[in-house]
Amino acid sequence: EAQVTQNPRYLITVTGKKLTVTCSQNMNHEYMSWYRQDPGLGLRQIYYSMNVEVTDKGDVPEGYKVSRKEKRNFPLILESPSPNQTSLYFCASSLSPRANEKLFFGSGTQLSVL
Amino acid sequence: AQTVTQSQPEMSVQEAETVTLSCTYDTSESDYYLFWYKQPPSRQMILVIRQEAYKQQNATENRFSVNFQKAAKSFSLKISDSQLGDAAMYFCAYRSAIYSGAGSYQLTFGKGTKLSVIP
Repeated sequence: EAQVTQNPRYLITVTGKKLTVTCSQNMNHEYMSWYRQDPGLGLRQIYYSMNVEVTDKGDVPEGYKVSRKEKRNFPLILESPSPNQTSLYFCASSLSPRANEKLFFGSGTQLSVL
Repeated sequence: AQTVTQSQPEMSVQEAETVTLSCTYDTSESDYYLFWYKQPPSRQMILVIRQEAYKQQNATENRFSVNFQKAAKSFSLKISDSQLGDAAMYFCAYRSAIYSGAGSYQLTFGKGTKLSVIP
């Protein structure tokens, strides 16, 4: 089944403890991206990747890192999480970066930073 | 930078009735796509409908249709014969079709409209 898989689905952590949210797609997609969703703010893009080893910042990249060493994986890394990074995170992918390509979303990761 | 505005944080509709969710956007570009996504309580983001800016004909997907007014930069979603399963958060989104360097192709979302369906 074609899908974007995010793990974990829920995560509670403490300030400063490094964490990684994994994202994997099985559709051979070139384009992958991370969004965070906050109440009253909608979804905002954190980082995106046009292909392997090609990543770039979105609207809210501060405090986050990403890597794209393989085409299928695009992990989101929080080196030193803070409470303002408590949010719902989505990974998404599409065959190419073109605007008409359908974006496939993962199921989301609810992160709480205490 | 593009912005997307959804002016109705919450709306409700009686089952089997019709409801329209509004969305306006701001852009100086001529080539772009507009989308409506549905997010039910399961949190999954589901693409409802999309519209290409160059197509004058309004997109339709079963009970969902849009009213796309390019000059007014308006993109409303009409849900006909509303069903209980339509209850969700709805997001309007914009995506440029022009590559202009960093940040290109990203989806810009509105803040969402929470739709309740009354039995």
